[in-house]
Amino acid sequence: AQSVTQPDIHITVSEGASLELRCNYSYGATPYLFWYVQSPGQGLQLLLKYFSGDTLVQGIKGFEAEFKRSQSSFNLRKPSVHWSDAAEYFCAVLFSGGYNKLIFGAGTRLAVHP
Amino acid sequence: DAGVTQSPTHLIKTRGQHVTLRCSPISGHKSVSWYQQVLGQGPQFIFQYYEKEERGRGNFPDRFSARQFPNYSSELNVNALLLGDSALYLCASSLEGLARYEQYFGPGTRLTVT
Repeated sequence: AQSVTQPDIHITVSEGASLELRCNYSYGATPYLFWYVQSPGQGLQLLLKYFSGDTLVQGIKGFEAEFKRSQSSFNLRKPSVHWSDAAEYFCAVLFSGGYNKLIFGAGTRLAVHP
Repeated sequence: DAGVTQSPTHLIKTRGQHVTLRCSPISGHKSVSWYQQVLGQGPQFIFQYYEKEERGRGNFPDRFSARQFPNYSSELNVNALLLGDSALYLCASSLEGLARYEQYFGPGTRLTVT
């Protein structure tokens, strides 16, 4: 069955430090992968996506992610975190078989210290 | 352009009651999906509608139903509410072709069942 695991429930970093959020997926075919961000009380905003091609993808707000098929991972990175990046981050894989549904991980809550 | 809109923003219902949530997709988007996000978890897929037809359904009881109108807006209905139905209900819309894999989310409706 398809699934997404985000091993870190909470992460705290200092402003200006680098960030890596982990995501592992289980999917039989070539995965379509996404990272979304959710600020408190808000909906989900798409940060970036991977469909095929270059395994390093760039997104909005200075985020990037690297697809590693051998490790079934799609980790999100940012070289220098800003206080406004504090939010919850969700990794998702798309199931596409007659219809499309996103399968989400449980999320990683990011706190940023000044 | 306006994003996905949802109404109402918040609502409080009593166990056993019925609720209707509404969603308007981004202009030009013909597909609407509904997700339930329980506090502390990632969103769970409920339905996908495309061109007014149900394309897919998640693992939710028959108390949950939806429909899509000719203008592509959608309603999610939940009957006989249970305390466990308390959640943020998210609507997402998408285009056709390869872009159908990108889902854009609204701000959600926060439902509290007492």
